[in-house]
Amino acid sequence: ELKVEQNPLFLSMQEGKNYTIYCNYSTTSDRLYWYRQDPGKSLESLFVLLSNGAVKQEGRLMASLDTKARLSTLHITAAVHDLSATYFCAGIPNTGNQFYFGTGTSLTVIP
Amino acid sequence: DADVTQTPRNRITKTGKRIMLECSQTKGHDRMYWYRQDPGLGLRLIYYSFDVKDINKGEISDGYSVSRQAQAKFSLSLESAIPNQTALYFCATSSGEEKLFFGSGTQLSVL
Repeated sequence: ELKVEQNPLFLSMQEGKNYTIYCNYSTTSDRLYWYRQDPGKSLESLFVLLSNGAVKQEGRLMASLDTKARLSTLHITAAVHDLSATYFCAGIPNTGNQFYFGTGTSLTVIP
Repeated sequence: DADVTQTPRNRITKTGKRIMLECSQTKGHDRMYWYRQDPGLGLRLIYYSFDVKDINKGEISDGYSVSRQAQAKFSLSLESAIPNQTALYFCATSSGEEKLFFGSGTQLSVL
């Protein structure tokens, strides 16, 4: 089993600001995933991180993975309203084959 | 057409009734999953299947059963629905440990 903890659970930020969402996990894993869910919608994949030190960027979002610290981060640069959504991280433990999800971070970007 | 299709989209039922949620996919993936989403709890795995003859319990399988009728079809049954099974249910597929592709979800309410 992999316990995945995200923080913060709720985040309200102003447009133009930067912020980071943290995802800590409980056991050895080098497979970490980030998903986005808009209200009333399904989840869509943002990033797949498959090795220590992996960094992926798409637009204003950048994800990284530090397997030694058991930590992944999702950094938001110059937030815009369209980024308002719930963000989930998920991981697969090295000894298993299931995806385990965090509880999600609900992000609201305020004009 | 959606790659992962869930039916129905919404269902209201009464305690004790048998309910089946269906999932079909056109992505050609071997792996299929059923998750439930509850507010504040993230996504929790109910059952997963890595091929037609492979069925595995997830974190919260009690009260649920599944059937993998074909590579493309994976159904979830609630034999005798109870109110605490009220939730948003997602089917997902993956190719190995690549990212998950989710269906649109089924909102189930058990009265």
